[in-house]
Amino acid sequence: KQEVTQIPAALSVPEGENLVLNCSFTDSAIYNLQWFRQDPGKGLTSLLLIQSSQREQTSGRLNASLDKSSGRSTLYIAASQPGDSATYLCAVRDGNKLVFGAGTILRVKS
Amino acid sequence: GAVVSQHPSWVICKSGTSVKIECRSLDFQATTMFWYRQFPKQSLMLMATSNEGSKATYEQGVEKDKFLINHASLTLSTLTVTSAHPEDSSFYICSARADSSNQPQHFGDGTRLSIL
Repeated sequence: KQEVTQIPAALSVPEGENLVLNCSFTDSAIYNLQWFRQDPGKGLTSLLLIQSSQREQTSGRLNASLDKSSGRSTLYIAASQPGDSATYLCAVRDGNKLVFGAGTILRVKS
Repeated sequence: GAVVSQHPSWVICKSGTSVKIECRSLDFQATTMFWYRQFPKQSLMLMATSNEGSKATYEQGVEKDKFLINHASLTLSTLTVTSAHPEDSSFYICSARADSSNQPQHFGDGTRLSIL
């Protein structure tokens, strides 16, 4: 059974810092991996999608990497801003379903 | 980018009422739609997966007679919570994906359901 773990569970940083969120999964047979952000009381916004054959994807200040063989992904956020404060969720596509981690709650202080 | 519209965003109703939530994919054809439930401070729990024109597949422990799912077209799925009770109060989120192994899943903004 696929399990996804995210570390840390919560993170508080001052504005401007670069930061890394970690995601690990137990079964490397995945189609792809997605990073989402969720603001309080809202749905999920897709940030980046990495296919199983890819190593990384970039969008603006965000960079996600994937090491499928070791079951790890990282989300790098450069020059963090208060507006980046949210819960970040990692999910792997396992068969027809997404399996989610518990998320990292990020707070960027101004 | 792809947009999934979920309606209503907030419902308050009396115990025993049935509530319908709609999920629409606005700019792509969603072969597969998903319904999730999220409890406070927890991650998403998949309730069921539906493919257009066929019956939904429910996750273990989810009552199919309680949570009726209809995926009548490639752009619309509905979740009906029948005879809702306070324990059904939760945040429900729908998601949609076009048909292909490499497509991302897109999510609606969720529906906050409160049963009095």
